[in-house]
Amino acid sequence: AQSVTQLDSQVPVFEEAPVELRCNYSSSVSVYLFWYVQYPNQGLQLLLKYLSGSTLVKGINGFEAEFNKSQTSFHLRKPSVHISDTAEYFCAVSAPNTGNQFYFGTGTSLTVIP
Amino acid sequence: EAGVAQSPRYKIIEKRQSVAFWCNPISGHATLYWYQQILGQGPKLLIQFQNNGVVDDSQLPKDRFSAERLKGVDSTLKIQPAKLEDSAVYLCASRHYKTGRNETQYFGPGTRLLVL
Repeated sequence: AQSVTQLDSQVPVFEEAPVELRCNYSSSVSVYLFWYVQYPNQGLQLLLKYLSGSTLVKGINGFEAEFNKSQTSFHLRKPSVHISDTAEYFCAVSAPNTGNQFYFGTGTSLTVIP
Repeated sequence: EAGVAQSPRYKIIEKRQSVAFWCNPISGHATLYWYQQILGQGPKLLIQFQNNGVVDDSQLPKDRFSAERLKGVDSTLKIQPAKLEDSAVYLCASRHYKTGRNETQYFGPGTRLLVL
């Protein structure tokens, strides 16, 4: 089975500063990796995903993530955050050919400070 | 295209009562998931359907939880009787089944359940 560890439960950052949200995964097979964002009282919205190919993945709202197989990481970055980026961020892993079941991390709460 | 629809959005019940949640997936999505998201945690899969068949229900507490997707489209998740620890957000997600389009799950807004 796969698992995901999100190392930071809360990340405060000032507006227009860069941010990195960390995600590490564990799997014995090739995986797909995802970042979802959850705004208060809403469902999960896909930010970006890595399936194969280029290890640098660009998503919506200026976010990007880099897949690092040797370090089993998929960290999320944004060069300049906005107040509207305040939300909960979830990293998820799935494995093709195993039903594509998603395993989520515990989430990172990003708070952008004006 | 329309997203995943869920209702109700909020529900408050007393312990030992019953409750049901409804989900309508994105049109054409053969795979449907129900997740439980307890406050401060990531979503945890309860059950996965492929059309009207169950693919995985290994984490569904079957003594009190049940789910069905009779016609392979919308689905209902029921809790009977509810316990205090069932207080959570119940998320429904769906996924396309065609190769090259089948890896992403799309989530509904969730049903927030409070058991008193």
